[in-house]
Amino acid sequence: DAGITQSPRYKITETGRQVTLMCHQTWSHSYMFWYRQDLGHGLRLIYYSAAADITDKGEVPDGYVVSRSKTENFPLTLESATRSQTSVYFCASGEVSMNTEAFFGQGTRLTVV
Amino acid sequence: AQKITQTQPGMFVQEKEAVTLDCTYDTSDPSYGLFWYKQPSSGEMIFLIYQGSYDQQNATEGRYSLNFQKARKSANLVISASQLGDSAMYFCAMREGGAGGTSYGKLTFGQGTILTVHP
Repeated sequence: DAGITQSPRYKITETGRQVTLMCHQTWSHSYMFWYRQDLGHGLRLIYYSAAADITDKGEVPDGYVVSRSKTENFPLTLESATRSQTSVYFCASGEVSMNTEAFFGQGTRLTVV
Repeated sequence: AQKITQTQPGMFVQEKEAVTLDCTYDTSDPSYGLFWYKQPSSGEMIFLIYQGSYDQQNATEGRYSLNFQKARKSANLVISASQLGDSAMYFCAMREGGAGGTSYGKLTFGQGTILTVHP
């Protein structure tokens, strides 16, 4: 199926554990983004990528690691999860062109206990 | 520094009336794009409308229009004839052209405005 998918949809993990959120898109979009959504903060950009092997920090990158070895995949890793990283995480992808919208995955609800 | 500001945490509107959701932005880049997304209670992000920095006319998409005032750096969303299904969170976003820097294509969002439509 064409689109952008995130997995898992829900995750509960313990403080200090490493956890990876997956994002896969089938459009071959150049750009991919990771956001976290928290009440009162809207969507905050964690990392984004302009192409395979090109990534850049967003507003809140601390505690997160990304990689993009293939155009279609953009995993987000929490190296040592903290309670403050409890959030809803959204992945998005988009074309290089500035006048096209980004397409979002369904989101991953992560709870760190 | 916050580049997209939505100053209205919540807005209420009567069904069939029009409502304006405010958005101001900050960039020194001459090339940028502005977007509005809707997020209903189910959580998905739905693209509504786009305005380019060089566009001469305000964008319109059905009941949605964008009041773009470039000098004031504002891009307010106007929803005409509100419907109950318009109740949702609305986000303003900006995609930067990256002039002089490395942030080309970066897409940042505001804090969002929760719109409630009353019958």
